[in-house]
Parts: sequence; structure tokens; C-alpha cells
Amino acid sequence: QKEVEQNSGPLSVPEGAIASLNCTYSDRGSQSFFWYRQYSGKSPELIMSIYSNGDKEDGRFTAQLNKASQYVSLLIRDSQPSDSATYLCAVKNRAGGGNKLTFGTGTQLKVEL
Amino acid sequence: DAMVIQNPRYQVTQFGKPVTLSCSQTLNHNVMYWYQQKSSQAPKLLFHYYDKDFNNEADTPDNFQSRRPNTSFCFLDIRSPGLGDAAMYLCATSREGNVGYTFGSGTRLTVV
Repeated sequence: QKEVEQNSGPLSVPEGAIASLNCTYSDRGSQSFFWYRQYSGKSPELIMSIYSNGDKEDGRFTAQLNKASQYVSLLIRDSQPSDSATYLCAVKNRAGGGNKLTFGTGTQLKVEL
Repeated sequence: DAMVIQNPRYQVTQFGKPVTLSCSQTLNHNVMYWYQQKSSQAPKLLFHYYDKDFNNEADTPDNFQSRRPNTSFCFLDIRSPGLGDAAMYLCATSREGNVGYTFGSGTRLTVV
């Protein structure tokens, strides 16, 4: 089982719709959860972090965390073509982890006009 | 602006010819990381420095080495690049604790 799993997509949504991106993780001791956006050929850019169960909103982005289900999600409201990118889920876990992040393979999002 | 800078953006090297990638930061973060990312794959941690303490991942090939001469700079040395080492190499920094990373722009390495 991979430590961090994401559906690779592509996930296609029409402009203005809500995009829902999902991620599961294997280490129950994980403490910090991050979403990065990565445009093709570019480096990852941090867009959201979440540390406790529930929802965290920042502009059009909402991160949701459910530690009991080992599940974290990212909602993008009013999706725009500029949101088309790969979204990487990253988890900071305890086991020998220190500050290390483990990344999923990412979900490719396509926002269509 | 405080940032993480990687040089060069694109690097072409010959099979077996040593190559060095560089990373500098103005964020004064004490932790620096090197990740390798191949197409459609997750970034894979190669090693990281916690201050001057070097931490190598168990599956990082011996062909990869790193140096951190001071807080601001970190280098990735590939002693004998193979075709399988072609990838994007990402440098990142962070403070300690439950915080995310700041990535540099990456270096795209091509091996010919």
C-alpha cells in the first residue's frame, strides 16, 4: 500500500463548477497535511495546509481532513481554467519523519471552458 | 523577496559525466531538501539537511551526494549520471515543525 494515494485523473470539470480532489494516507500518526499545485514543467506551490479534523477555507479553496478515515480532500469552488494543474497531496508523518513530507502522485485537474 | 533559487533551470549532461546542481535560499530556513521527480510521479526525497546534520534516504543511490557549506546553500552532486537519472530535481526549504515547504523552481536534468 502506498503511503499517500491519489487518483491520477484527469479530473475534468466545467468552468465555474466545484472540483473535488481526494487523498488517503496510510500512517495513522500523520500530523500535518498539505496540498500543492504543480503546473506542467514547474515546481510545486503550497496552496493549503490543514492540521486538525474538519474544514479549512481559504478563498476558493477548502481543505477537509478526517483522521479517523485517514482521508484529506481539497475542494476548489468556481473552478477557473487557470486552476488546470496537477494537485499533490503531501503528508508529514511521525515515523522517523522529522520534517519530511511524503507526496502522492497527484491528480491532474482540467477545467474546461 | 525571500525565496529559494535553483541553478541552472535546465542542465544537459553526458552519460557518466559528473554534474552539480545548486540551490540557495534567503528564507533562513534551517532545513533543506532535495527531491527527484520523474514524469507523472510523486516527488521522491533523496536527502535532507537539518541544520548541518545530513540525512540520507535508505533508497537513495550512492551516485547521489550532497553538500551544505552554509545555511544558505545546498548542492546536489551526481557522480556518474545515467539515463535513468533524467528528471526534475527540486530543492525545498522549511523551518522545523508542522509547516510546509517552499520549493525552488527546479532543475530539469537531461542525460545524453
